[in-house]
Amino acid sequence: DVKVTQSSRYLVKRTGEKVFLECVQDMDHENMFWYRQDPGLGLRLIYFSYDVKMKEKGDIPEGYSVSREKKERFSLILESASTNQTSMYLCASSPTGVGVAFFGQGTRLTVV
Amino acid sequence: GIQVEQSPPDLILQEGANSTLRCNFSDSVNNLQWFHQNPWGQLINLFYIPSGTKQNGRLSATTVATERYSLLYISSSQTTDSGVYFCAVQRPGFQKLVFGTGTRLLVSP
Repeated sequence: DVKVTQSSRYLVKRTGEKVFLECVQDMDHENMFWYRQDPGLGLRLIYFSYDVKMKEKGDIPEGYSVSREKKERFSLILESASTNQTSMYLCASSPTGVGVAFFGQGTRLTVV
Repeated sequence: GIQVEQSPPDLILQEGANSTLRCNFSDSVNNLQWFHQNPWGQLINLFYIPSGTKQNGRLSATTVATERYSLLYISSSQTTDSGVYFCAVQRPGFQKLVFGTGTRLLVSP
């Protein structure tokens, strides 16, 4: 069974904290993605990576950074968490080119 | 960038009813997927369907790429079908999936 695993289902952090969201996939996929989901806005792409150490900005990269040191792991970093980053964060992976994307279970982050 | 519109935004059905969800996209695509998001937030692949028709049990999907739309059919709906249905597309030469805003389905007993 293919799997994308996110490190936490629920997270509560304080304003100004540095926050790490981790995602691991076991399908040997080249592509990995971080989306955030907000009511009425659907899923918006934050960053994606098409290879180890390679990354590209998505539609809403401000306030975020990413790290991909190993093929199976893609981390999303909130450098200084703010309340407007309270959201559902979803990680996905897919093979290079055209292929089916698989999602993790999501991390519901609350910044207080 | 490409625009993806889904309709209707909300749908309420009685158990056993049939429904059709629509996804329109504004440019040519080489990848189209339908997902179901369950009440716990998990997105599950339903179909990978850049063109043609596929069926999986009570669900089927059709994509007419030349006319830039896709349809998801749910027959004999069950309460477990409730959730949000998303269409996502990928343009040639791009790696990312672009999502529509979803259709929220509630199936009541």
